[in-house]
Amino acid sequence: AQSVTQLDSQVPVFEEAPVELRCNYSSSVSVYLFWYVQYPNQGLQLLLKYLSGSTLVKGINGFEAEFNKSQTSFHLRKPSVHISDTAEYFCAFYDKVIFGPGTSLSVIP
Amino acid sequence: DADVTQTPRNRITKTGKRIMLECSQTKGHDRMYWYRQDPGLGLRLIYYSFDVKDINKGEISDGYSVSRQAQAKFSLSLESAIPNQTALYFCATSDADRGGQETQYFGPGTRLLVL
Repeated sequence: AQSVTQLDSQVPVFEEAPVELRCNYSSSVSVYLFWYVQYPNQGLQLLLKYLSGSTLVKGINGFEAEFNKSQTSFHLRKPSVHISDTAEYFCAFYDKVIFGPGTSLSVIP
Repeated sequence: DADVTQTPRNRITKTGKRIMLECSQTKGHDRMYWYRQDPGLGLRLIYYSFDVKDINKGEISDGYSVSRQAQAKFSLSLESAIPNQTALYFCATSDADRGGQETQYFGPGTRLLVL
């Protein structure tokens, strides 16, 4: 069965510290992978996506993610977070569009 | 102006009432989706439509129905609302016209409370 797992439901981090949000997927077919961000009281916005090619993908707001096929992972990273990064982050993949349960990132001043 | 709009943004209703949530898009996409979001569960797909004549059930379609009135409009109905349908509902469109590579664009959400 296809699924997406986000191991951390909540991640608190101090401002200007680095952060990694973890995502693992399970699929027997080729996948396209996405990270979406949901700011408070808003809909989801696309952060970045992996379709093919380079396994390191750069997105908006200084985020990047690395596709690792052997570990079936697509972890999201940012070297220095800002207060404005406080949001819910969702990993998703497309064969059928399947979302993970989300990780709530709280940036502490 | 927003590309994907949802009305209403907030709604409180009573058990047993019929309610309709509406979604409109100006992106010209053929594909439209309805999701519900519950804490700790992420987004779950209710229904999706690949064009005006194509409607498909998603993961959790029971208790819901949809209508694709036009390419730009996709409505979700709760025929007889129940409290466990209290959730945040999102409409989305996608540009899946290039070999299945799909990016979704979301509306702002409708917060529904069923008493």
